[in-house]
Amino acid sequence: AQSVTQLDSHVSVSEGTPVLLRCNYSSSYSPSLFWYVQHPNKGLQLLLKYTSAATLVKGINGFEAEFKKSETSFHLTKPSAHMSDAAEYFCVVDTGRRALTFGSGTRLQVQP
Amino acid sequence: KAGVTQTPRYLIKTRGQQVTLSCSPISGHRSVSWYQQTPGQGLQFLFEYFSETQRNKGNFPGRFSGRQFSNSRSEMNVSTLELGDSALYLCASSIRDRGSTIPNNEQFFGPGTRLTVL
Repeated sequence: AQSVTQLDSHVSVSEGTPVLLRCNYSSSYSPSLFWYVQHPNKGLQLLLKYTSAATLVKGINGFEAEFKKSETSFHLTKPSAHMSDAAEYFCVVDTGRRALTFGSGTRLQVQP
Repeated sequence: KAGVTQTPRYLIKTRGQQVTLSCSPISGHRSVSWYQQTPGQGLQFLFEYFSETQRNKGNFPGRFSGRQFSNSRSEMNVSTLELGDSALYLCASSIRDRGSTIPNNEQFFGPGTRLTVL
């Protein structure tokens, strides 16, 4: 069975400092992995996706993630946090036939 | 292009009642998936519909059902509501087209319907 584990439930950074949100996956074959963001009272927005074309994936709003098979990780990073990045972030794996399995989420706080 | 729309946005029901939620996918998208989001269980897959047929189902009781119409719009129904059914219900659409350059598993989410069961 495929699953994802988000290692931090809360991350707090200062504006202008780097962001690192950690995700490990478990899969018996090469997975399709995603990062989604959810702002308060809003739906989920796709940040980026990994579908085996390239291990370093660039997404929207300056976010990127690197797929590391040896570490079974897909961590999300951003060089410089902005106040508008404060939200909940979900690491997601496609378990097949459009059934997405979500991690438990990481709430990102950005301090001024 | 309009995004995924869900109606209503908010609902309040009492235990034992039933409820129907509606989802209109992005134009041209033929697959609709439903998810439940609660503070305790997080985001969980309910089911997926394509070509008016349920193609995949998550681990939910039979009180949760759905259907899809010929225009790809979908509805989900919850019968005999329980307090634990209070949640944000999210609908997502995907293109599900072998000829598309967009991956078939890339899903676009609507804003959700917040259901409160009293």
